[in-house]
Amino acid sequence: AQRVTQPEKLLSVFKGAPVELKCNYSYSGSPELFWYVQYSRQRLQLLLRHISRESIKGFTADLNKGETSFHLKKPFAQEEDSAMYYCALNSGYSTLTFGKGTMLLVSP
Amino acid sequence: NAGVTQTPKFQVLKTGQSMTLQCAQDMNHNSMYWYRQDPGMGLRLIYYSASEGTTDKGEVPNGYNVSRLNKREFSLRLESAAPSQTSVYFCATDEGQGGVTEAFFGQGTRLTVV
Repeated sequence: AQRVTQPEKLLSVFKGAPVELKCNYSYSGSPELFWYVQYSRQRLQLLLRHISRESIKGFTADLNKGETSFHLKKPFAQEEDSAMYYCALNSGYSTLTFGKGTMLLVSP
Repeated sequence: NAGVTQTPKFQVLKTGQSMTLQCAQDMNHNSMYWYRQDPGMGLRLIYYSASEGTTDKGEVPNGYNVSRLNKREFSLRLESAAPSQTSVYFCATDEGQGGVTEAFFGQGTRLTVV
């Protein structure tokens, strides 16, 4: 069965500090992984997908098949990064399996 | 361009009452989904519709029914609401057809069952 694990419910950092939100997955096929973000009072939206290998809002994520991980990183956190972050895996025919989410709080 | 629109935004039900959550998209997407979001549980798939005319159960379908009315609309029905169904419900769409595409979400419906 497909599973996405986000071990941290809450990650609290100071502005300017590096951020790493962890995501591990289990999937028997070739994974298609995403990071979605939900800012306060806004709808869930795509932040990154692994196939595009892009940097959005300073965030990057690298797929490590050996460690079955897709951690989200940003070198210098900003207050506007405070949000709920979900790692998600495409589990076949475009159905997404989500992790339980990590709340990122960036303090001034 | 509205994207994905859910109605209502808020609802309070008494145990045993029924209601239908509506979702409409104007993105010409094939696939539509209903998720529920609970604290500490993330988003869990209730039902999905890979294309017009088809529906399938997700991870937590019990207590729900769905109807894919046409390509644009996908409704979620609670026949006899229970307090355990208190949650935030999200509708989502994507291009589907097995491709790796971005999912677009509605703004959510916050449902409380008392």
